[in-house]
Amino acid sequence: QSALTQPASVSGSPGQSITISCTGTANDVGGYPLVSWYQQQPGKPPKLIIYEVSKRPSGVSHRFSGSKSGNTASLTISGLQTDDEADYHCCSYANRNNWIFGGGSKLTVL
Amino acid sequence: QVLLQESGPGLVKPSQTLSLTCTVSGDSFRGSGYYWNWIRQSPGKGLEWIAYIYHTGHAYYNPSLKSRLTLSIDTSVNQFFLSLSDVTAADTAVYYCARGGPELATLNRFDPWGQGILVTVSS
Repeated sequence: QSALTQPASVSGSPGQSITISCTGTANDVGGYPLVSWYQQQPGKPPKLIIYEVSKRPSGVSHRFSGSKSGNTASLTISGLQTDDEADYHCCSYANRNNWIFGGGSKLTVL
Repeated sequence: QVLLQESGPGLVKPSQTLSLTCTVSGDSFRGSGYYWNWIRQSPGKGLEWIAYIYHTGHAYYNPSLKSRLTLSIDTSVNQFFLSLSDVTAADTAVYYCARGGPELATLNRFDPWGQGILVTVSS
């Protein structure tokens, strides 16, 4: 099973909105409403910020939102803040009881 | 608050077996309904789901690693274990344990994660 495709890097200015894409196939992202997103600060473990495509765990800012269209899931961060600078990873259920991640996207807040 | 902590050797020789322990505090395996996972991250690369184990001892492995993997669990001490045999340099990574679920369908709701342990495979 191939990894999901994410842009290696994205950037934005404070206050702006950015969107990170996560592209798979009909056998993973497109086939199931089971995409999650993680924020990873340098030297830290990943932190869950979105699950089941668009649900936010308690304590996660409303500035983070998730969506899906066809084989592509998206994470949108609105009102960018400097401490949003991190790596972001998507994850999807795939056929035959397997779970796959994207390669990760590095967000730079300019 | 649920906390997970990985432990084990940081250096393993090629062809040997990598063995790690995840200790869980603040939650109980028995009857919790959650799934307990291992996930790794190779240096500068993305994340890779390795396997999960349920409190009953039922385990499921990433097909690409299945032939070298064994997971086990000891509910009496709230620990679960990873064993990866015949390691090579490609297995060098930070290994994380993470709780998933609470249903199998939502396994990739990985939260929380341990701090991770770097395991280097080198002679």
